[in-house]
Amino acid sequence: SQKIEQNSEALNIQEGKTATLTCNYTNYSPAYLQWYRQDPGRGPVFLLLIRENEKEKRKERLKVTFDTTLKQSLFHITASQPADSATYLCALSGSSNTGKLIFGQGTTLQVKP
Amino acid sequence: EPEVTQTPSHQVTQMGQEVILRCVPISNHLYFYWYRQILGQKVEFLVSFYNNEISEKSEIFDDQFSVERPDGSNFTLKIRSTKLEDSAMYFCASSETEMTSGNTIYFGEGSWLTVV
Repeated sequence: SQKIEQNSEALNIQEGKTATLTCNYTNYSPAYLQWYRQDPGRGPVFLLLIRENEKEKRKERLKVTFDTTLKQSLFHITASQPADSATYLCALSGSSNTGKLIFGQGTTLQVKP
Repeated sequence: EPEVTQTPSHQVTQMGQEVILRCVPISNHLYFYWYRQILGQKVEFLVSFYNNEISEKSEIFDDQFSVERPDGSNFTLKIRSTKLEDSAMYFCASSETEMTSGNTIYFGEGSWLTVV
């Protein structure tokens, strides 16, 4: 069955450093990969989407890479700030238009001042 | 910025009762979804809805669940005969176009359902 793995351990980094989060998947060939931010008790908030034929996407301090051979995406936050502390979710979807996203468990990022 | 709104934010219900969770998607969006998240677990897809019919549903979305768009603005999830394991945060979401265009999905803040 489809499986998405994100680091279950929290990532603790110092303010100003680059945070790198990993999303690995198996038994799936996604057409799209998305990253969301989720704060405690809140709904997921969309950050970035990358297509299967794209290697890298950037938005301000955020960068996503997508390696369909390794079946892996890396999510980078440069110049991290305490306000970036949250849980980050990786989500995959196929080429159908039904809007079904398969989410990973999420990785909690803690940025210390 | 437009947002998806959900009511109630929290509902406690007795096991076996029926609940209706309500959502107002973003006004120009055409695709609607329900997801749920059991405490400490992954966000899980329940159902997608377009043009007044279900596009896809997960194995979780059995006969106990139903969705409806009763008017031009609301989108509801009905859960019949609630069970303890239905306790979760239920997220409504919407998108302007279909996923094949790479369109993003906007989530509401959720309705926390507690079944006792």
